[in-house]
Amino acid sequence: EVQLVESGGDLVQPGESLRISCAASGFSFKNYWMGWVRQDPGKGLEWVGNIKQDGSETYYGDSVKGRFTISRDNAKSSLYLQMDSLRAEDTAVYYCVKGGTLDLDYWGQGVLVTVSS
Amino acid sequence: DVVMTQSPLSLPVTLGQPASISCRSSQSLVHSDGNTYLYWFQQRPGQSPRRLLYKVSNRDSGVPDRFSGSGSGNDFTLKISRVEAEDVGLYYCMQGTQWITFGGGTKVEI
Repeated sequence: EVQLVESGGDLVQPGESLRISCAASGFSFKNYWMGWVRQDPGKGLEWVGNIKQDGSETYYGDSVKGRFTISRDNAKSSLYLQMDSLRAEDTAVYYCVKGGTLDLDYWGQGVLVTVSS
Repeated sequence: DVVMTQSPLSLPVTLGQPASISCRSSQSLVHSDGNTYLYWFQQRPGQSPRRLLYKVSNRDSGVPDRFSGSGSGNDFTLKISRVEAEDVGLYYCMQGTQWITFGGGTKVEI
């Protein structure tokens, strides 16, 4: 059974940084693109970005480009999202997702990131 | 960016009756490889999204056959043949042909 478990969500102030993680199990992690999608109750679902199997390519949505960085550790079957220069509009539930643009399927349970002073 | 427009925003349904959700894209979703990367996701209250259909009409494992998808180009439809109580929730279309964008969601309620 595919499992994606996010962790690291927190309340942070604008301008601060935060790293969230995703522990994957139940599939061969190193063979799949992985990504992050966020959900703001007021704005629906927004693709954050994704990363190739070996970590050699990453792609980001326009609203986070230059501020967020996706990385992975295939030995630990883990995915990471480093978020810098956080803004109030980054407040959302962040989901770890299995797959890339052509094969996105499973979602984690999500982790809440709140940016507020 | 490819803009995905869903309608209606809210869909009151009657148990046992059919229901239909429309999803339109601002440009064709036919990929250079010939496939159309249009997906449908269901999000029940308090849960994360679950994929129901991929490449327009292919049902995921475990998805009841009352769910079906159709369409081509930039006009797509999700149909529920006979709504059951467990179908209540939000439904999103998503395109993966040109990066990833989601529709705004349709709330299905009894």
